[in-house]
Amino acid sequence: KNEVEQSPQNLTAQEGEFITINCSYSVGISALHWLQQHPGGGIVSLFMLSSGKKKHGRLIATINIQEKHSSLHITASHPRDSAVYICAVPSFGNEKLTFGTGTRLTIIP
Amino acid sequence: EPEVTQTPSHQVTQMGQEVILRCVPISNHLYFYWYRQILGQKVEFLVSFYNNEISEKSEIFDDQFSVERPDGSNFTLKIRSTKLEDSAMYFCASTGTSGRLAYEQYFGPGTRLTVT
Repeated sequence: KNEVEQSPQNLTAQEGEFITINCSYSVGISALHWLQQHPGGGIVSLFMLSSGKKKHGRLIATINIQEKHSSLHITASHPRDSAVYICAVPSFGNEKLTFGTGTRLTIIP
Repeated sequence: EPEVTQTPSHQVTQMGQEVILRCVPISNHLYFYWYRQILGQKVEFLVSFYNNEISEKSEIFDDQFSVERPDGSNFTLKIRSTKLEDSAMYFCASTGTSGRLAYEQYFGPGTRLTVT
């Protein structure tokens, strides 16, 4: 069973700050997902990555497969980035996801 | 852009009643999932469904739960006799994976189930 750990659990920052959220997992995987959960509860997939780095707007995700670690970065953070960010890893075979506990990010104007 | 839809958005039911949560996955996807999130806790896997049968289920998914894809488009989760502890947000997801490669999972907006 894959254990997924995220840090920090809560993060409060000023608008414009560079944000880093970390995720580590215990069992080798084919890819890792970063998800965003809005205050209303809905989940949106941000990234799925299996190696290196991906960038989408102000969001950057990196993964180190050997070290079983991934990071999500937000540049020039904005209050609308306030949400819970969740990393999740799939199982081989049917790709069910095991989720981390999430990082609650609050960006203060 | 294609999306996964779920109905209802919020369901309130009395303990012991049956509920059916409905999902319409993305049309050409092959794998379907139900996850749940109890308030304040992390999202947990319930069941995966492929080729018209359950491919895996968690310990949570006991005899009170069932899934089916009755008409090739809808994907339903039934809870036969709801308990207070079934109160949670239930998410449906689908992916186009063949099962060998990881594909992005698309999540529905969720159904908030409240059991009173």
